[in-house]
Amino acid sequence: GAVVSQHPSWVICKSGTSVKIECRSLDFQATTMFWYRQFPKQSLMLMATSNEGSKATYEQGVEKDKFLINHASLTLSTLTVTSAHPEDSSFYICSARPRGVGPQHFGDGTRLSIL
Amino acid sequence: AQSVTQPDIHITVSEGASLELRCNYSYGATPYLFWYVQSPGQGLQLLLKYFSGDTLVQGIKGFEAEFKRSQSSFNLRKPSVHWSDAAEYFCAVGAGYSGGGADGLTFGKGTHLIIQP
Repeated sequence: GAVVSQHPSWVICKSGTSVKIECRSLDFQATTMFWYRQFPKQSLMLMATSNEGSKATYEQGVEKDKFLINHASLTLSTLTVTSAHPEDSSFYICSARPRGVGPQHFGDGTRLSIL
Repeated sequence: AQSVTQPDIHITVSEGASLELRCNYSYGATPYLFWYVQSPGQGLQLLLKYFSGDTLVQGIKGFEAEFKRSQSSFNLRKPSVHWSDAAEYFCAVGAGYSGGGADGLTFGKGTHLIIQP
């Protein structure tokens, strides 16, 4: 149980385009989802906390107009990287916290490469 | 602000030998502590967690960790490593909530474990 699915797992796109990444909790409801970014050989950095039905809370230094987060249902959160540039290339990982109890469960990540 | 320090960037251990990965944290309240493992290009798998109670926690794959408040440490141990344990290991701390989970986590920089045959 407690499976979190991310899609796509890998995406390559041209500079200036927008990319949407989906994070789904497959077998539980998640009132809260988190988005992390991981640069090569570095740790995960929390980007934002997404609560179902409300605006996401962004960490300091993360541009909310560039990284649009939508958490429209208890099983789905999306991260849209708008007008992506090469410096946005990274590994993006989401996690979902089951409603009420338990630790976060992580997806397998999305590798984003901007050419 | 909370922080996590993993002092060892790389550790090499012979297969069958014991393992200890170090983790020190800084947190203003009672920490919720986690160890995760990450294989190349993959997401994170939770090995174990500490919320309260017994300071020695058991996890999956034969791992355990001991919470020592006086030392602000949460070191991960395994008595005998297997080649399949080679991966990146992350220690993390988060603000707890009553349901037993945690808010957005702060991760250490990770320790890369290499297993020698």
